Amino acid sequence: QKEVEQNSGPLSVPEGAIASLNCTYSDRGSQSFFWYRQYSGKSPELIMSIYSNGDKEDGRFTAQLNKASQYVSLLIRDSQPSDSATYLCAVMASGTASKLTFGTGTRLQVTL
Amino acid sequence: SAVISQKPSRDICQRGTSLTIQCQVDSQVTMMFWYRQQPGQSLTLIATANQGSEATYESGFVIDKFPISRPNLTFSTLTVSNMSPEDSSIYLCSVGLTNTEAFFGQGTRLTVV
Repeated sequence: QKEVEQNSGPLSVPEGAIASLNCTYSDRGSQSFFWYRQYSGKSPELIMSIYSNGDKEDGRFTAQLNKASQYVSLLIRDSQPSDSATYLCAVMASGTASKLTFGTGTRLQVTL
Repeated sequence: SAVISQKPSRDICQRGTSLTIQCQVDSQVTMMFWYRQQPGQSLTLIATANQGSEATYESGFVIDKFPISRPNLTFSTLTVSNMSPEDSSIYLCSVGLTNTEAFFGQGTRLTVV
């Protein structure tokens, strides 16, 4: 069974700090990796996608992928209270065209 | 991205009844998906809605319980049939635009009493 694992949290970080969110996956055939942010009562919002090993930066967000270790992470720099949400890691296997397997999500709390 | 409109946004239904959820996209898309998010849980794929053919269901989901229509490249419906309290969830429509990234509608929060 293809699985995506995340620590459920909550992960608590002070405002201005770096939040580090981690995700592991079991399917070595996975090709595409995504981070979604979900506020309570809202639908998931795509914030980062990464397809090749290494780092990808977008503003305060950096996604990191290591396919050999089957590991993907999301760093949020200068964390803000508005970043408080559940972050879902999602994985797409090769040839499955936009069909995603989600982790259980990590709840992030940014404290003042 | 695409603009995905889903309705109703929420509903409270009696057990034993059925609810049809609509998903409208502002552009033609090949791939449309239906997910369920049970309380406190992550998203689970119910099925892929295929235009012009029957939907493809994931393990644990069957057509009799969750019939899906996909009459064209911009529209799909999901019906939750013969509902029980265990069907209380958020149901989400998703579209894939570039064969990779997927975007979600606002979701339908269903409560079965």
